[in-house]
Amino acid sequence: SAVISQKPSRDICQRGTSLTIQCQVDSQVTMMFWYRQQPGQSLTLIATANQGSEATYESGFVIDKFPISRPNLTFSTLTVSNMSPEDSSIYLCSVSQLGDTQYFGPGTRLTVL
Amino acid sequence: AQSVTQLGSHVSVSEGALVLLRCNYSSSVPPYLFWYVQYPNQGLQLLLKYTTGATLVKGINGFEAEFKKSETSFHLTKPSAHMSDAAEYFCAVTHQGAQKLVFGQGTRLTINP
Repeated sequence: SAVISQKPSRDICQRGTSLTIQCQVDSQVTMMFWYRQQPGQSLTLIATANQGSEATYESGFVIDKFPISRPNLTFSTLTVSNMSPEDSSIYLCSVSQLGDTQYFGPGTRLTVL
Repeated sequence: AQSVTQLGSHVSVSEGALVLLRCNYSSSVPPYLFWYVQYPNQGLQLLLKYTTGATLVKGINGFEAEFKKSETSFHLTKPSAHMSDAAEYFCAVTHQGAQKLVFGQGTRLTINP
């Protein structure tokens, strides 16, 4: 399986600011996804990052709040904009190669004060 | 729409005892089923998956799961628990061509010495 890294691994941010999270894969993959895991909760899909086009967002998530880029087949970014304490979560990227299985990065732990 | 129900948000077993984590799914099409494990402060690691073929699937760390279509279940088992198995376990479902993973709420497994 692919090796997936995320930066930063954790951060503490002030409300009203924005944070950009990077996801890097060591090989080209067809699909990249971004998930949110709120404290003590399961994972919720934010969006599918599409290479060269706008991301596909799930219900309840909007581009203005969570802009996503995917400039190539190995890299994507998720920005959490105008943060509030409710955005404190773990943000995970995952990748899938032509098939059914998703592999996850180590996650970014975000605390918003 | 697909959904996953994990019975028991917390399961506690003694070291050396049988581990049984329950997962039931709902799907109108043949499902692809997954178990992931999340150790403290880490991302998700794939334990095992069922797509087609043999209904008893073996994964890493001695875990296995059996797909039972008649019961719409995919329970995770391990014959003998080890202290290192303490973690959060997530069951997830998708189907061919869908890409989107739907997660259960997770089960926290505690191992008692």
